[in-house]
Amino acid sequence: GESVGLHLPTLSVQEGDNSIINCAYSNSASDYFIWYKQESGKGPQFIIDIRSNMDKRQGQRVTVLLNKTVKHLSLQIAATQPGDSAVYFCAAPWGGSQGNLIFGKGTKLSVKP
Amino acid sequence: EAQVTQNPRYLITVTGKKLTVTCSQNMNHEYMSWYRQDPGLGLRQIYYSMNVEVTDKGDVPEGYKVSRKEKRNFPLILESPSPNQTSLYFCASSPTVAGEQYFGPGTRLTVT
Repeated sequence: GESVGLHLPTLSVQEGDNSIINCAYSNSASDYFIWYKQESGKGPQFIIDIRSNMDKRQGQRVTVLLNKTVKHLSLQIAATQPGDSAVYFCAAPWGGSQGNLIFGKGTKLSVKP
Repeated sequence: EAQVTQNPRYLITVTGKKLTVTCSQNMNHEYMSWYRQDPGLGLRQIYYSMNVEVTDKGDVPEGYKVSRKEKRNFPLILESPSPNQTSLYFCASSPTVAGEQYFGPGTRLTVT
């Protein structure tokens, strides 16, 4: 079946270092991919998305890379800060509808001061 | 303030007692969706709606109903709740189907 998965359930980084969170997907027909951040006790918050016709997209301190050949995307956070501590989810459409989203199980990012 | 609201935020109920969780957005978004979040399973989509009167099943629709009679509201209905529906529920909306989704604060439901 369709799946979107994250490679590591937890990631611990030193404040100021760069963080890389990975995600694999199975539906090659997905038109877009999204990264969300969820802080404890809150709903998910949009970080950045990327369309399937792009390889890279940059935001403020974040970069998403898409490798369609191996069905892999990654979220890179530059100069990680304590406020970046959260669970990060990738999401992508699956099945026949672009509105039908499947989320990865999440990677918990911990930032050490 | 642009937001997605859910009510109630917390609910404890008993098996079989019908309940409705309301969701409302004030951003004139076309797309709305319901998710449940369980430990170890992440976020799973229950139902979504592309526009008024258009709803479709997500990943885990069994035991749930939705309706989209007007653009701003997308209630989640549990006709006969069971303990396996104990979960944290999120409603979300987006300007378009592939757009950034804005999530509500969540509803924590316990069914005993």
